[in-house]
Amino acid sequence: QVQLRESGPGLVKPSQTVSLTCTVSGDSMKSYSYYWNWIRKPAGKGLEWIGRIYTSVNTKYNPSLQSRVTMSIDTSKNEFSLTLNSVTAADTAVYYCATTDIAMLRGLDNWGQGTLVTVSS
Amino acid sequence: DIQMTQSPSSLSASVGDSVTITCRASQGIRNYLAWFQVKPGKAPKSLIYAASTLQSGVPSKFSGSGSGTDFTLTISSLHPEDFATYYCQQYNNYPLTFGGGTKVEVK
Repeated sequence: QVQLRESGPGLVKPSQTVSLTCTVSGDSMKSYSYYWNWIRKPAGKGLEWIGRIYTSVNTKYNPSLQSRVTMSIDTSKNEFSLTLNSVTAADTAVYYCATTDIAMLRGLDNWGQGTLVTVSS
Repeated sequence: DIQMTQSPSSLSASVGDSVTITCRASQGIRNYLAWFQVKPGKAPKSLIYAASTLQSGVPSKFSGSGSGTDFTLTISSLHPEDFATYYCQQYNNYPLTFGGGTKVEVK
């Protein structure tokens, strides 16, 4: 089973760009068996799907964030990344990475523990 | 986007009780519905996919049903570790969307 671990800067200033990384273990990303997803949860609010990446040219983003989001993948490092620009306080949240099988049969079946991003000056 | 409406938003129950949570999709999603358990500081845990199929290792006290627009999650014989927030999520259409969550609290 795939294990996922998120990492990021923790604190970001408003209007800046935040970059998060999800490190994958337990399987090689070169197997191309999964879609790699990002989801976030602001404190006191529900879960929001940000987007997913399969290859560098196969991505899907939530239209609500599409103008500010970029995802990338590095199979040689077994990691994928999320970049969110022009952040505001509304982007303060726990950010999770998660997998789905490429047939989309089992949903978001493996999750990381999440990394907190706080947007504050 | 497909809107997922969960109810209730919270409920109080005792150890040993059974509880049922409902989830309604704003349009048909076949059976592309999952349920998750979320606890603070822990990785969300996928419980059920395809509306009624238990993820590997999930105890049979969790059960799901439904198809189309209306779905339910039932948790039988609550244990202390079951008190958490539960979310439904549709994966029939992009963007993937979640219900608002149901917090199951100790009475």
